[in-house]
Amino acid sequence: DNQMTQSPSSLSASVGDRVTMTCRTSQSIGKNLNWYQQKPGKAPKLLISAASSLQSGVPSRFSGSGSGTDFTLTISSLQPEDFATYFCLQIYTVPLTFGGGTKVEV
Amino acid sequence: EVQLVESGGDLVKPGGSLRLSCAASGFTFSNAWMFWVRQAPGKGLEWVGRIKSNTDGGTTDYAAPVKGRFTISRDDSKNTLYLQMNSLKTEDTALYYCTYLSLGYWGQGTLVTVSS
Repeated sequence: DNQMTQSPSSLSASVGDRVTMTCRTSQSIGKNLNWYQQKPGKAPKLLISAASSLQSGVPSRFSGSGSGTDFTLTISSLQPEDFATYFCLQIYTVPLTFGGGTKVEV
Repeated sequence: EVQLVESGGDLVKPGGSLRLSCAASGFTFSNAWMFWVRQAPGKGLEWVGRIKSNTDGGTTDYAAPVKGRFTISRDDSKNTLYLQMNSLKTEDTALYYCTYLSLGYWGQGTLVTVSS
């Protein structure tokens, strides 16, 4: 299986901060990686597909980069509504594998 | 408007069975590869399995922890996805989501609790 390592597991930040989190896969997946945001009690929301393609309606402060085995999600200027948990998901091969999540806290 | 509505979650004893349903609307369900994802309380997301569209063969794939116990099926005439869960274990306790992964649509989830 393609192991997914997401880091950090949590981070503390303030409104206006630039926030970065990473996912690393054990095998190359090209750009076949999605990023999701999840708030408590809610289903995950797709932010970025194909490693860097911003979904419609997602603010441009979110960006994704990377290919192969190393991927990054960046929030350029953290807003109050961005405090949430973020997950990556490799969709290159089954079994699909999620990262363990990064909780963005105050 | 796309909607995915899961149902069927319940409290069940270890070794028991349960069938979850996911009613889809707002898109061409028969063309969609559909997925089940679960989330144990306070934990991360875990892929359970997928079913391809019937035009792509309708085949299924499963995560190792559920393979041989869970079965995904679909009824395109009813726009409904199913997850048959047998031989349930306490570690299957989770919120189960159905998702049209490629377009980012998720249901609200249905809770399965396995406990004696």
